[in-house]
Amino acid sequence: KNEVEQSPQNLTAQEGEFITINCSYSVGISALHWLQQHPGGGIVSLFMLSSGKKKHGRLIATINIQEKHSSLHITASHPRDSAVYICAVSIIQGAQKLVFGQGTRLTINP
Amino acid sequence: SAVISQKPSRDICQRGTSLTIQCQVDSQVTMMFWYRQQPGQSLTLIATANQGSEATYESGFVIDKFPISRPNLTFSTLTVSNMSPEDSSIYLCSVEKPGQGTEAFFGQGTRLTVV
Repeated sequence: KNEVEQSPQNLTAQEGEFITINCSYSVGISALHWLQQHPGGGIVSLFMLSSGKKKHGRLIATINIQEKHSSLHITASHPRDSAVYICAVSIIQGAQKLVFGQGTRLTINP
Repeated sequence: SAVISQKPSRDICQRGTSLTIQCQVDSQVTMMFWYRQQPGQSLTLIATANQGSEATYESGFVIDKFPISRPNLTFSTLTVSNMSPEDSSIYLCSVEKPGQGTEAFFGQGTRLTVV
């Protein structure tokens, strides 16, 4: 079983829909990251969370430390939101390292 | 924050050859990380590069195949040696900077195809 599990693996929605991507993890973490990967491969960091909730524009990220679960929400989705969204957790194993989920491929149709 | 310039963005290489990927950071960082993302897979850490010392490789990765240089606090290279089609992947460099927690920053990625 992977230490970080994301669902769904693929998600297709219509423009304007509310999107939720989920991430569950099984290890102790110091932080959780939500990343966005575009088709060329480059990755942009969207959020880093250690508790509670963060909001940036149409994106909202929440984390429940007790339940080891995080969600990424996109409100009023737009075709330009189409990308792979990756959940990653920072764990301490000697030195800090990142462990990544397998990603969620999101497609927003106009 | 940190801005990372990674080059090349993509390349198509013949099997048996080597490719060196460069990452330049706009500020000094202690550790730089190199990841591989095979098609349809999640990112996997190859090695951690510290300035002035040998890189630390993860299980399954060896220095002869993926030599790394870290000549100063803003620059690192990863070489993929004696390439085979199985090395076709996206390779990414990353740094972490302390702030409110430790935030991760990534390069634009190098999409490598070995033919």
